[in-house]
Amino acid sequence: AQSVTQLDSQVPVFEEAPVELRCNYSSSVSVYLFWYVQYPNQGLQLLLKYLSGSTLVKGINGFEAEFNKSQTSFHLRKPSVHISDTAEYFCAVSDKRTAGNKLTFGGGTRVLVKP
Amino acid sequence: KAGVTQTPRYLIKTRGQQVTLSCSPISGHRSVSWYQQTPGQGLQFLFEYFSETQRNKGNFPGRFSGRQFSNSRSEMNVSTLELGDSALYLCASSFGGGQSDTQYFGPGTRLTVL
Repeated sequence: AQSVTQLDSQVPVFEEAPVELRCNYSSSVSVYLFWYVQYPNQGLQLLLKYLSGSTLVKGINGFEAEFNKSQTSFHLRKPSVHISDTAEYFCAVSDKRTAGNKLTFGGGTRVLVKP
Repeated sequence: KAGVTQTPRYLIKTRGQQVTLSCSPISGHRSVSWYQQTPGQGLQFLFEYFSETQRNKGNFPGRFSGRQFSNSRSEMNVSTLELGDSALYLCASSFGGGQSDTQYFGPGTRLTVL
């Protein structure tokens, strides 16, 4: 079974500073990779996804992520955060071998942006 | 286009009761997935429906069931509720239901079991 590990459960960061959220996944099978964000009392919203091709993926709201196959990682970065980026971020994978839409999520990283 | 809608948004039940949650996908989307979110277990996949057929199922007891109608709307049912079923239940829809498809999530139904 797939597993996804988000190494930091909480990340405090000052406004306008850069942030990196780490994500590692089990390497037993080929996967598609996703980052979702969840704002308080809301559902999840897709930030970006990696399907194939260039390992640097750009998403919405200035976020980007880099796929590293040898390290089985998919870390998310933003060069300068805003107060509005305070939210919980989830890394997820879907198994290319499994028909259908099934996401396996990491435990989430809470980002708190301080003024 | 309207997003994914879930009803009700909040629900309080007592142990032993059953509950039905509803999800209306984005118009044209044929795949609907359900997830349970709790502080302890995080986000866990429950099941996925595509064209009225259950295509994937997570590791949950048989008390959790679902169905999908011909208009792609979906319901999930939990029977004989337990305290541990208290959670945010999220529904997500996608157009074709492929592994690479983006899933669009609803706001969730917050279920509290007393």
